[in-house]
This record gives sequence, structure tokens and C-alpha cells, in this order.
Amino acid sequence: VQLVESGGGVVLPGRSLRLSCAASGFTFSSYEMNWVRQAPGKGLEWVSSISRSNTIYHAESVMGRFFISRDNSRNTLYLEMNSLKAEDTAVYYCSASGRYSFDHWGQGTLVTVSS
Amino acid sequence: QSALTQPASVSGSPGQSITISCTGTSSDVETYNVVSWYQQRPGQAPKLMIYEGTERPSGVSNRFSGSKFGNTASLTISGLQAEDEADYYCCSYAGTYTSTYVFGPGTKVTVL
Repeated sequence: VQLVESGGGVVLPGRSLRLSCAASGFTFSSYEMNWVRQAPGKGLEWVSSISRSNTIYHAESVMGRFFISRDNSRNTLYLEMNSLKAEDTAVYYCSASGRYSFDHWGQGTLVTVSS
Repeated sequence: QSALTQPASVSGSPGQSITISCTGTSSDVETYNVVSWYQQRPGQAPKLMIYEGTERPSGVSNRFSGSKFGNTASLTISGLQAEDEADYYCCSYAGTYTSTYVFGPGTKVTVL
């Protein structure tokens, strides 16, 4: 199982960014996929999940600003992040779920929101 | 602020056993028997150690075990080794109406 995130970087407050997660080594379409973030020096925070049938859940802290999606033909997970705030600064991890757990993780991509 | 509560730090000597608690509420840990535990070493991604409260993924040492009583889940590490020094996070499913998953703030395990 391999998950490789990309798309992170430095962005101005209020701007947008799209993260991608390329999956390989497993049947991507059969797994619920997730984004979990970790602010510098802080703990883990669940951000978004998308089920096999494309049901979507977002944390209240990002609802209305972030949008998770998946492309099963490309084995890729996305996170569209809009109206970014300084408090969104974090390493964003892509994760594949088992039964209510985050079984496999990528190495993460750093998003820095700063002027 | 995390919905789950964990001690900030736990320490033990090599060979000893330690237990990390994770206290939730009736909205998460008490209702859903699916607490998971993650180990995170500095500079690395988290690693799943326990799922569904008590189950170990393939490849995880049997020195790691999980349990739950009421609204408190626990992770026990027996035969503590230097390589176990890391941060440990608990996580619970919390339904679909509010925060679907909630994490604890993490516990720093130090091997003395």
C-alpha cells in the first residue's frame, strides 16, 4: 500500500489550494478515504472522509471551505481547500480506512497559510 | 480542544508495562466500540496499532493491547522497549452528525 500526497506549499490567507493523494498497491475504489491534518507541534485532527459510494463528511472547522473528492479511475484522492486561514497551516495526511480506523497513511504534505 | 482526554505523558523503564487511558463521552467511546490507537515517531506519519478497541493489525507486536470499559479506552504496552518511545493518539468514531472522528490530544511515552 502506498499513498503519496502532493500539492502543499505556501499560500496567502483567503486563497485556495488543491491537495492530491495518489494511491497504489490496493483496490482504491473499495476503501473509504480520508484527510487528517497535524498543525506544527500539535496533535492529529480529522478533516474529511469520503466513502466508497462517495458519501462525504467534513469536520465543522472546514465545512463550507474544504471539499473532498475522489477519482477511482485515477486512484487519486483530492482535497480542495478554499478561503484558507492561518489556522489551516498543517501537515495534511491522506489515509485509507479499514473499519472505523485509519489503516494506511501517506507521508503528508505541508500547507502553510501566511502573508 | 480534543473531545477525548489522554494523559500528556507516561513513562516507564525497559521491560515494564504502561497503560495509556483515553476518556470520551456517550457520544463517542461509550457508544461506538471502535476506538483505534496510533503511534507516531518524530518526523514520521502515524501508524495504526489497535483498531476496533482490541484488534491488532498484522505486523504489530503482541506487546500492544487495547481494552475498553464504559467511556474509557486503554492502550497497554508490555515489555517496554526503547523503540516504543513515541507519541500515541487514540481516536473514536463519533457518528455522522457532528465530528465523524475525534482524536485525543496525544500521550508522549518516554522509555527511561
